[in-house]
Amino acid sequence: AQSVTQLDSQVPVFEEAPVELRCNYSSSVSVYLFWYVQYPNQGLQLLLKYLSGSTLVKGINGFEAEFNKSQTSFHLRKPSVHISDTAEYFCAVSLSSNTGKLIFGQGTTLQVKP
Amino acid sequence: GAVVSQHPSRVICKSGTSVKIECRSLDFQATTMFWYRQFPKQSLMLMATSNEGSKATYEQGVEKDKFLINHASLTLSTLTVTSAHPEDSSFYICSARDQGGRIYGYTFGSGTRLTVV
Repeated sequence: AQSVTQLDSQVPVFEEAPVELRCNYSSSVSVYLFWYVQYPNQGLQLLLKYLSGSTLVKGINGFEAEFNKSQTSFHLRKPSVHISDTAEYFCAVSLSSNTGKLIFGQGTTLQVKP
Repeated sequence: GAVVSQHPSRVICKSGTSVKIECRSLDFQATTMFWYRQFPKQSLMLMATSNEGSKATYEQGVEKDKFLINHASLTLSTLTVTSAHPEDSSFYICSARDQGGRIYGYTFGSGTRLTVV
């Protein structure tokens, strides 16, 4: 069975500092990987996704993530965060060959301080 | 880009009544719809998966008679919480996917905050 682990439940960081949100997954078969952002009382917005090809994926709002197959990781990074990046971030995985269920990690709260 | 409209955004209902939540894909055909439930400060838990014209597949532990899912068209899916009780209070989110997710992938609705009093 597939699983996703987000190693940090909360990440406090100062404005304009770099940030990395960690995500590790477990699967015996090929997977698709996603990062979503959720603002309070809202749905999820896709930041970026890895389906195949280049392991460095660039997304919206200056975020990027790198797929590392050997370490089964898909960490999210941003070189300089803004106050507006304060939100909940979810890593998710789906099998590349099934009905497409998304399995979510526990989420990481990014708190950007002025 | 792909848009999924979810209504209502908030609903308060009395215990014992039923509530219907609608999810519409506005500019693409959603061959598959996913319904999630999210408790405060927690992740999204998949409740069920539905393919257009077929019965929904429910995750283990989800009562299919309590959470009725209809996906009768390629642009509309509904979740009806029947005989709602306070423990059903939660944030419900739908997600739509086009054929194989090849074009739009997964698109999420904005969620519905259900409060049962």
